[in-house]
Amino acid sequence: SQELEQSPQSLIVQEGKNLTINCTSSKTLYGLYWYKQKYGEGLIFLMMLQKGGEEKSHEKITAKLDEKKQQSSLHITASQPSHAGIYLCGAVMIYNQGGKLIFGQGTELSVKP
Amino acid sequence: EAGVAQSPRYKIIEKRQSVAFWCNPISGHATLYWYQQILGQGPKLLIQFQNNGVVDDSQLPKDRFSAERLKGVDSTLKIQPAKLEDSAVYLCASSLGTGGAIADTQYFGPGTRLTVL
Repeated sequence: SQELEQSPQSLIVQEGKNLTINCTSSKTLYGLYWYKQKYGEGLIFLMMLQKGGEEKSHEKITAKLDEKKQQSSLHITASQPSHAGIYLCGAVMIYNQGGKLIFGQGTELSVKP
Repeated sequence: EAGVAQSPRYKIIEKRQSVAFWCNPISGHATLYWYQQILGQGPKLLIQFQNNGVVDDSQLPKDRFSAERLKGVDSTLKIQPAKLEDSAVYLCASSLGTGGAIADTQYFGPGTRLTVL
């Protein structure tokens, strides 16, 4: 089973609509990263959240980390075709070897013009 | 500021052949990572270097995969011999390595798409 679950797995929205992607962990999240990936390309860093209740925004994208620090959401307002891609959440998990970034399976977003 | 560079971008090989990938991290970044991303999944860490030392290689299939980071800058990842299940995108990332794992943002290169036939 995945240590980090994203939902939904895929999403198709009409341009101009709002949408939300969720990232849920069964363990406490010490640091939560959101990345965007275009098909077949590298990951682009969007935001990092660390404190419970923290919220950050960049242009029309807002990410929140809940108070219990086990879930994060990414919200896009007034979606545009440029928002299309795969959104990945990554959580820092602590293992014997130290901290490691574990990724969810990704949410594929399509925006219809 | 230049980002993480990777080459080649694409590679097609036959099974049992060998292949090597190259990565040049962002200047000044002490930590370098190699990830494997299979289609439809999130990236999975293969190996992490701090300068030229290995921090974590627990998920590296050491019977066929090897990686090195000589002089603490560039890195190469090799697969020998390749199997069909190695078909994936291989991503290199780097981070400053000074903030501890929690606040140490990783920046990714464009990746190398490997197809094993």
